[in-house]
Amino acid sequence: GAGVSQSPSNKVTEKGKDVELRCDPISGHTALYWYRQSLGQGLEFLIYFQGNSAPDKSGLPSDRFSAERTGGSVSTLTIQRTQQEDSAVYLCASSLAYGTRTEFFGPGTRLTVL
Amino acid sequence: QKEVEQDPGPLSVPEGAIVSLNCTYSNSAFQYFMWYRQYSRKGPELLMYTYSSGNKEDGRFTAQVDKSSKYISLFIRDSQPSDSATYLCAMSAKNTDKLIFGTGTRLQVFP
Repeated sequence: GAGVSQSPSNKVTEKGKDVELRCDPISGHTALYWYRQSLGQGLEFLIYFQGNSAPDKSGLPSDRFSAERTGGSVSTLTIQRTQQEDSAVYLCASSLAYGTRTEFFGPGTRLTVL
Repeated sequence: QKEVEQDPGPLSVPEGAIVSLNCTYSNSAFQYFMWYRQYSRKGPELLMYTYSSGNKEDGRFTAQVDKSSKYISLFIRDSQPSDSATYLCAMSAKNTDKLIFGTGTRLQVFP
């Protein structure tokens, strides 16, 4: 497909386990963003990438959260030692270039931490 | 106080009605204003994008920005049941791509 894809679509894990969430942006999009959407909280910015570098990591909630992007394409968001408050939908978006502000979102990964 | 405030609704209207959705914000540095539509269990989809103050029209949708009042609106004319979704406002300052979102307003259009 031509859109942003994310995997897995759903992830149930136990408290304390590590999880990896994957995002495949639209081909040719250089900017990639991660957001978290909790019930009643709206979308919360986590991190964005321009190419493989992350100029703004200010939204990562704690050092348990990290993200990387390789080859200017796929990105993974890793949450270590998951906690119940990490339960949310994690959304990835991409845009053609930094500054366009026209972000195309993927369907999200629904994370449930038991 | 949140940087962006949005009434969560739900807003329930009959088919054909004009819908008005609104957000207020506190950060005067915001220059770019967007409206996203999100269907249940889907990612947000960009509907409208405006820069600074003024109006923008696209089909049945009109976006308005009043920077003096720090208030933005989305109007939907001739609303359809397929418009039933959550509508999120988002905005950013000039020197960053970081979007600040409202919590979203859930809209239901009944036949």
